[in-house]
Amino acid sequence: NAGVTQTPKFRVLKTGQSMTLLCAQDMNHEYMYWYRQDPGMGLRLIHYSVGEGTTAKGEVPDGYNVSRLKKQNFLLGLESAAPSQTSVYFCASSPLPPGGAGTDTQYFGPGTRLTVL
Amino acid sequence: GQNIDQPTEMTATEGAIVQINCTYQTSGFNGLFWYQQHAGEAPTFLSYNVLDGLEEKGRFSSFLSRSKGYSYLLLKELQMKDSASYLCAVSMFSGGYNKLIFGAGTRLAVHP
Repeated sequence: NAGVTQTPKFRVLKTGQSMTLLCAQDMNHEYMYWYRQDPGMGLRLIHYSVGEGTTAKGEVPDGYNVSRLKKQNFLLGLESAAPSQTSVYFCASSPLPPGGAGTDTQYFGPGTRLTVL
Repeated sequence: GQNIDQPTEMTATEGAIVQINCTYQTSGFNGLFWYQQHAGEAPTFLSYNVLDGLEEKGRFSSFLSRSKGYSYLLLKELQMKDSASYLCAVSMFSGGYNKLIFGAGTRLAVHP
């Protein structure tokens, strides 16, 4: 059981370049999330998915797109990278929505460290 | 809107007890999580409170008061490996789904 994996672990982009971050989970979880973490600001939700084929916007969706074509994969795309998108990106998954009775935690991947020059 | 506040940094001595506070103002409150995050690593789950009161898990306990918008994480018998950031995260119901809103985290340094 690998849990949640993220590819790549590190990446350096030039302004205007595009890239896709891949998140994969082998726990058959319905819910998947993309966060970014910046110093002094905590984790902020970019986009999330409540099941295969669904996506929704989080707190900071601008400049990012996502797709959930397969249940186990959640892709985060940057079409035209900007220096403001330099951050650590975490993917997470959970079997149930976070909160309420009978909830479960989110399981986080190891993170992708992205630098945009 | 939503606002979650926790101290930026704390220090404590090995073997001691430390309490990390978290206050929040959110609509659609649906539970509060605490996560631990070591430098350069992913957050890992510590505790969850949805009802008022204290939840105890070994050396870690978490308390919630929904009427006061307040929670704390209590760490007993501190060990050097407890040096990490502790993230308070509030579940809020919005747009038809529950979502987690994270505080900025409290960086705890445990010294001998």
